[in-house]
Amino acid sequence: NAGVTQTPKFRVLKTGQSMTLLCAQDMNHEYMYWYRQDPGMGLRLIHYSVGEGTTAKGEVPDGYNVSRLKKQNFLLGLESAAPSQTSVYFCASGLFVGSYEQYFGPGTRLTVT
Amino acid sequence: DAKTTQPPSMDCAEGRAANLPCNHSTISGNEYVYWYRQIHSQGPQYIIHGLKNNETNEMASLIITEDRKSSTLILPHATLRDTAVYYCIVRPPYQTGANNLFFGTGTRLTVIP
Repeated sequence: NAGVTQTPKFRVLKTGQSMTLLCAQDMNHEYMYWYRQDPGMGLRLIHYSVGEGTTAKGEVPDGYNVSRLKKQNFLLGLESAAPSQTSVYFCASGLFVGSYEQYFGPGTRLTVT
Repeated sequence: DAKTTQPPSMDCAEGRAANLPCNHSTISGNEYVYWYRQIHSQGPQYIIHGLKNNETNEMASLIITEDRKSSTLILPHATLRDTAVYYCIVRPPYQTGANNLFFGTGTRLTVIP
């Protein structure tokens, strides 16, 4: 049981490049989330999904897109990376609607130059 | 949402119990207390949550005072791997949509050999 996995672990992009971060969970959870964590800012929710085929905006969605084509996968896309998107990105999953019991992946450290 | 107050840092000797306090004096009757931790360079890790009764799992025990205005997370036999920042958060149940986690500043626990 791997829990929540994220790929890649590290990435360096140039301004304007695009990339996709992949999150996978094997716990059959309905809810999945993408957060970013910056020094002194705590966790901020980017997008989330309440089930396969559904996505919704979180607190800081601009510049990101997501897709949930399969229940176990949640993809985060950056179409045109900007230095302000330099951050650590965490994916999480949760089983119950309304529960704050979430399980996090190890994170992706992204640097945009 | 109820605010929480935690000491910024604590030390604990290896093998001893670590008792981490949290004050949440404005908690509402239906709000749960959740505890997470984040080890350096890793994703946040869910520990435990409770409403009014004391809770125990394989990681820790959660003691909530009778008036629910404060709680204590107990790690019964702290190890060096428990060195992390511990976050206490208070959240209402069954919010639809984004179950966003807002972490405060937390308590930095250092386990000393």
